[in-house]
Amino acid sequence: GAGVSQTPSNKVTEKGKYVELRCDPISGHTALYWYRQSLGQGPEFLIYFQGTGAADDSGLPNDRFFAVRPEGSVSTLKIQRTERGDSAVYLCASSLSGPASAGTQYFGPGTRLTVL
Amino acid sequence: GESVGLHLPTLSVQEGDNSIINCAYSNSASDYFIWYKQESGKGPQFIIDIRSNMDKRQGQRVTVLLNKTVKHLSLQIAATQPGDSAVYFCAETYKGGAQKLVFGQGTRLTINP
Repeated sequence: GAGVSQTPSNKVTEKGKYVELRCDPISGHTALYWYRQSLGQGPEFLIYFQGTGAADDSGLPNDRFFAVRPEGSVSTLKIQRTERGDSAVYLCASSLSGPASAGTQYFGPGTRLTVL
Repeated sequence: GESVGLHLPTLSVQEGDNSIINCAYSNSASDYFIWYKQESGKGPQFIIDIRSNMDKRQGQRVTVLLNKTVKHLSLQIAATQPGDSAVYFCAETYKGGAQKLVFGQGTRLTINP
């Protein structure tokens, strides 16, 4: 079956602009996660959805970052007033886990965001 | 996770040899551990996982060992192949952590022909 997909694969934008990054999770996966990966480092958690609601958004760096999952499937990560420090690979993952226990997270290929 | 520099620890092995990649964790509440493989330009790929009530788990050519006493995790890859060359990350989740993964530093494995 299809894995996690993310679009676009690459996004180049100018400082101060608004961007949206999309994630299509594996069909039937109720849990969805966003991570950010800087060069040479491991992914860092941003936000976790269980169904339509954000169960944990403690990793979002500031209020310029926001994510939604209105129908419990596709999610969009939104970044306002982008800064050069936002440049990174943004990874999405999904899993079958419920709120009570951890399940295997499967990652998409990521969106490479470059802010000029 | 901890902030790390741009220079990942590296491990080079000859094709066909076994390799061992190590990972230390600090949170004694961590109860689920996963190893991921990441190739250049791709997302992390699940390899194998282990829960804290186990100390060893085997997959195809891979074995994960968990030592909770010293908070140490290792990934053993048997009979390495060129396709095993990648960066390997350990990750953990902990009770009350809402299932978010905390990734370790990563190790770059290079398989020499």
